[in-house]
Amino acid sequence: AQKVTQAQTEISVVEKEDVTLDCVYETRDTTYYLFWYKQPPSGELVFLIRRNSFDEQNEISGRYSWNFQKSTSSFNFTITASQVVDSAVYFCALSPPRTGGGADGLTFGKGTHLIIQP
Amino acid sequence: ETGVTQTPRHLVMGMTNKKSLKCEQHLGHNAMYWYKQSAKKPLELMFVYSLEERVENNSVPSRFSPECPNSSHLFLHLHTLQPEDSALYLCASSPGGGYGYTFGSGTRLTVV
Repeated sequence: AQKVTQAQTEISVVEKEDVTLDCVYETRDTTYYLFWYKQPPSGELVFLIRRNSFDEQNEISGRYSWNFQKSTSSFNFTITASQVVDSAVYFCALSPPRTGGGADGLTFGKGTHLIIQP
Repeated sequence: ETGVTQTPRHLVMGMTNKKSLKCEQHLGHNAMYWYKQSAKKPLELMFVYSLEERVENNSVPSRFSPECPNSSHLFLHLHTLQPEDSALYLCASSPGGGYGYTFGSGTRLTVV
């Protein structure tokens, strides 16, 4: 069975502070994919990143960076110099490999509500 | 516009009503999904459709009935719902192979 744990239910920081959202996962698959999604108040989930389990390189995209550590089954997300517009619920998710028309969905964590105060 | 369109955005229905949620994607994706998002709970996968198969989560009550007439459209038919079914229902599509999922904006359902 797969499981994703986001232990931080809510984080509140002041604008311009750096903030890290934690994600720990469990899976018996040797190959899998990890995702981060952002859910603003409007409701839709916005795709941020997809990471293959074979690729342990950290990634940076502007103010966003991701730290994937297979040894500790963690895939943490850091926002540098946070802004009010970063306020949202952030979800970490796990997917097994899918080939052909295989039909597996994502396993989501409970999400972390990030509040950036001006 | 995310590429996945859901209608209606908001729906209020009585427990004896029958209604349907609609999802449409023209991204050429192979798989479509229904997720339920309740307060304080993780997103729950309800149903999956792909070109080859429909996968159904056995824990989904029969008062929820999916329909996928073609690869671009997905429906969720609702009947005799309960107040605890009130939630945000999200549709998603995926090209397969572990690539990212594109979500719609969801339908906020309230059962009274």
